[in-house]
Amino acid sequence: EAQVTQNPRYLITVTGKKLTVTCSQNMNHEYMSWYRQDPGLGLRQIYYSMNVEVTDKGDVPEGYKVSRKEKRNFPLILESPSPNQTSLYFCASSLSPARTSNTGELFFGEGSRLTVL
Amino acid sequence: GNSVTQMEGPVTLSEEAFLTINCTYTATGYPSLFWYVQYPGEGLQLLLKATKADDKGSNKGFEATYRKETTSFHLEKGSVQVSDSAVYFCALSFNDYKLSFGAGTTVTVRA
Repeated sequence: EAQVTQNPRYLITVTGKKLTVTCSQNMNHEYMSWYRQDPGLGLRQIYYSMNVEVTDKGDVPEGYKVSRKEKRNFPLILESPSPNQTSLYFCASSLSPARTSNTGELFFGEGSRLTVL
Repeated sequence: GNSVTQMEGPVTLSEEAFLTINCTYTATGYPSLFWYVQYPGEGLQLLLKATKADDKGSNKGFEATYRKETTSFHLEKGSVQVSDSAVYFCALSFNDYKLSFGAGTTVTVRA
């Protein structure tokens, strides 16, 4: 089954304790992205990656890091979490826009709800 | 910059009622437009899209038409079901690298 898998789904942590949210897709997609969802703000892009070893900042990258060492994985790292990073996080993937078969559709994981105390 | 504005919710309807969710956008040029739906406890999934002016996207009884003159992409369904209860997001994209989302509209359909 084609899917984007995120872990953990739920996490409560404390300020300053480093954490990683993993994301893996099995569709051989080149493009992957992280979003955060906050009430009244919709989804805002944190980072994205167009392929292995290629990453770039989205709209709200402060306090986050990412890496793309393998095509299928795109972990989100919070080196020193703060309460304002309490949010619902989504990983998404798609084919490269350069492919003619790309429909522009993003495939989303089920979300990771993070609470930073 | 690019932005999407959706009507504020929540919206509560009875089954078989008509649903409209307004969406307007601000952008330089002509983006692709999308509606995504988020069912409870799940990630977003594409509902429909339109890539140029006057295109109509449709899926699962939902429709939306790309109106360049009013910069709008309103979502409609003629007869909603309880299973349509979800959060609906309007979004735009120029290059498919990044979607700009609206704030989302929560729809609850009562039996």
